[in-house]
Amino acid sequence: DAGVTQSPTHLIKTRGQQVTLRCSPKSGHDTVSWYQQALGQGPQFIFQYYEEEERQRGNFPDRFSGHQFPNYSSELNVNALLLGDSALYLCASSLAGGDTDTQYFGPGTRLTVL
Amino acid sequence: AQSVTQLDSQVPVFEEAPVELRCNYSSSVSVYLFWYVQYPNQGLQLLLKYLSGSTLVKGINGFEAEFNKSQTSFHLRKPSVHISDTAEYFCAVRYSSASKIIFGSGTRLSIRP
Repeated sequence: DAGVTQSPTHLIKTRGQQVTLRCSPKSGHDTVSWYQQALGQGPQFIFQYYEEEERQRGNFPDRFSGHQFPNYSSELNVNALLLGDSALYLCASSLAGGDTDTQYFGPGTRLTVL
Repeated sequence: AQSVTQLDSQVPVFEEAPVELRCNYSSSVSVYLFWYVQYPNQGLQLLLKYLSGSTLVKGINGFEAEFNKSQTSFHLRKPSVHISDTAEYFCAVRYSSASKIIFGSGTRLSIRP
């Protein structure tokens, strides 16, 4: 049973660039959430996707956008990168209508902005 | 405001000693509570969760937590820790009115031999 997978593992970008991170949910899951974890802090909720639509959004600017595909995989896009966007980006998947409160996390993508 | 507070940023303990990691959340009518563990350079792994029912919840790796509604707490405990328990532990809450999970700032558990 495949768990949550994320790509790439690491990424280095410069200020002003754009980045796309990818996530494949755990088999059987249809809901994907994205979190940003800055160094030494807990994860912060960015947004959640279900049925290809953004269901809820955290306190992040519009530079952060996402997409969910028909196969439930998801992308996180960040435009106009800032130094402060350097963080571990975590994807979590869950099953709507099931044990919806249990989110399973991927290993994350470490983004460094120079 | 909805929030989670982990009172200790670091907890050092000796191997085979008991440990308690503290967590408090802002009050709400209905909450779901979680503890996650994060090993170095890895994602988050669910240790245990409280959704309803018995207030004492048992999880993986010998951990347990007790939901205390009157004190709005969800402290994590283990009677005897091992070197392999060295990790960052995050308490998290989901309020019934929202989909998102709110995490605490984490507690680093370091085990001394």
